[in-house]
Amino acid sequence: DTEVTQTPKHLVMGMTNKKSLKCEQHMGHRAMYWYKQKAKKPPELMFVYSYEKLSINESVPSRFSPECPNSSLLNLHLHALQPEDSALYLCASSQVNPRILGKNEQFFGPGTRLTVL
Amino acid sequence: KNQVEQSPQSLIILEGKNCTLQCNYTVSPFSNLRWYKQDTGRGPVSLTIMTFSENTKSNGRYTATLDADTKQSSLHITASQLSDSASYICVVSFNTGGFKTIFGAGTRLFVKA
Repeated sequence: DTEVTQTPKHLVMGMTNKKSLKCEQHMGHRAMYWYKQKAKKPPELMFVYSYEKLSINESVPSRFSPECPNSSLLNLHLHALQPEDSALYLCASSQVNPRILGKNEQFFGPGTRLTVL
Repeated sequence: KNQVEQSPQSLIILEGKNCTLQCNYTVSPFSNLRWYKQDTGRGPVSLTIMTFSENTKSNGRYTATLDADTKQSSLHITASQLSDSASYICVVSFNTGGFKTIFGAGTRLFVKA
């Protein structure tokens, strides 16, 4: 299985709602990532988990809360979002081995299209 | 400053023609360079990944080159098809005690019949 899956594909939420995005991979990757992508822009890194521990938080507002319950799953909990948070949210995974160059190729999921009203 | 710049910003070609996309980077110390294809509203799909010692890598009609001395990479698409219409993103990783990744802004390719 060389696939990263994300659910839901589309999500529309109000500014007072609480929702979660889910990501799953079964490639044995121990690094997982959340990216935010606005239209016609490259993905922007939000969070990196390595061995189920948060290793990078790119100064993301606290209304975004990541969670890594196990090595295959990555969640992104959303609360009190703003309309400008509307974007494509991408999950990715990769191997983790800094001693082996070129082995951190990231595999991306199809993304969740989020619209905040 | 670590940067990845891609050119052109967008490109229109006729079906069946070849094209070449460019990626220049100022990243150090370099680890690897990847080319991704991203269809609108979808996640990026990896085309090639190259490390410092690799000059060329092919994936079907896609051929990527890397010149680590000049810090330039190109992605050549042969015999383009309508389905090649997408954004092509150059991604460079570097190792400063932990891997960091910089995405280029991408080249939007439109293939017309």
